[in-house]
Amino acid sequence: DTGVSQNPRHKITKRGQNVTFRCDPISEHNRLYWYRQTLGQGPEFLTYFQNEAQLEKSRLLSDRFSAERPKGSFSTLEIQRTEQGDSAMYLCASSLGAGGPNIQYFGAGTRLSVL
Amino acid sequence: KNEVEQSPQNLTAQEGEFITINCSYSVGISALHWLQQHPGGGIVSLFMLSSGKKKHGRLIATINIQEKHSSLHITASHPRDSAVYICAVLPPSGTYKYIFGTGTRLKVLA
Repeated sequence: DTGVSQNPRHKITKRGQNVTFRCDPISEHNRLYWYRQTLGQGPEFLTYFQNEAQLEKSRLLSDRFSAERPKGSFSTLEIQRTEQGDSAMYLCASSLGAGGPNIQYFGAGTRLSVL
Repeated sequence: KNEVEQSPQNLTAQEGEFITINCSYSVGISALHWLQQHPGGGIVSLFMLSSGKKKHGRLIATINIQEKHSSLHITASHPRDSAVYICAVLPPSGTYKYIFGTGTRLKVLA
């Protein structure tokens, strides 16, 4: 297994455009998380899936943001009508929900630049 | 005040120096995770701790649950250790969200 995979690694877009990011978790992991990280800050939680169910969403996730995990495997994060303030690193993590410490494994992230 | 505080925020060291990065937290936790983030973004797991001390190569992590404090030590530092080191705590069962510190940016000079 190659770990958590995120695509694309970098995305440059113009303000007002829609963008979609993909995350492929570690194959046996049933939990998947999206985080956003702005320059000089630690990651901030956006949303969390257990299998295909989206169990928690942060208030940071405005109406322009939507995340899906349709078959409980890969997940997509879509941002509609992007704004310059959306420029950040979007990180995906996955974990095995089988009890014990919930160790999350992170992908390399997708860096979004909104011009 | 952040629930997870790291110090220092920035650290420059000479190759070979012993380095300590500190993490203090104000919430109850079930575990604490030290992470390393290189330029370009990818985050690598270093240690998950719930008590005591762990060692891997030149890295040592300790945690004092009573004092709500953890330290990450790097012995014989090397320029390849240059990265951002992030402390993340996992609250007790019922939530799976990490609470992250803002990170410590380490630069090791040759």
